[in-house]
Amino acid sequence: RKEVEQDPGPFNVPEGATVAFNCTYSNSASQSFFWYRQDCRKEPKLLMSVYSSGNEDGRFTAQLNRASQYISLLIRDSKLSDSATYLCVVISLNTDKLIFGTGTRLQVFP
Amino acid sequence: NAGVTQTPKFQVLKTGQSMTLQCAQDMNHNSMYWYRQDPGMGLRLIYYSASEGTTDKGEVPNGYNVSRLNKREFSLRLESAAPSQTSVYFCASSELRGETNEKLFFGSGTQLSVL
Repeated sequence: RKEVEQDPGPFNVPEGATVAFNCTYSNSASQSFFWYRQDCRKEPKLLMSVYSSGNEDGRFTAQLNRASQYISLLIRDSKLSDSATYLCVVISLNTDKLIFGTGTRLQVFP
Repeated sequence: NAGVTQTPKFQVLKTGQSMTLQCAQDMNHNSMYWYRQDPGMGLRLIYYSASEGTTDKGEVPNGYNVSRLNKREFSLRLESAAPSQTSVYFCASSELRGETNEKLFFGSGTQLSVL
């Protein structure tokens, strides 16, 4: 089993829709969590960190569920420009390494 | 302020050829990294450098060597390229020391094909 797993998608949603992705992690000692965004054939860029209490940045909300060992990313009022691959990143307390998920692809259509 | 610059953007090699991927950052970051990204595998760390003069192996170091020439530059060398090294390579930097960090700044990537 992979240490970090994401549904590869694609998630095809119309403009204005709300969409959510989950990312599960297998190591219960994982301590830090992030979402990165990667556009086609471009480099990944940090979208937001995920805090234990949940956090929001404009239309984006990130949440952590330690009991079920997953993090989520919710995007409200989807824009065409949100079309990208969203990478989940987990840092393990045991290994102190960044583990990247394989990404979830989002396609927003008009 | 260019951020992280890596060259070349594209490269095709024949099996057994050698090449060096160049990376430079102008953000005065201490830590620099080389990742490769393959379909279905996610980003995997090849080597990293916590500071000038130090380098350490990551998850997939075999077949690669690195050199932290100075604080700005971190190069990745393939001595004898193999088809398994066909991938997209990303250089990254961070202001924090060590392998783990929060905000990684990535270069634009190098698409390498080994025939």
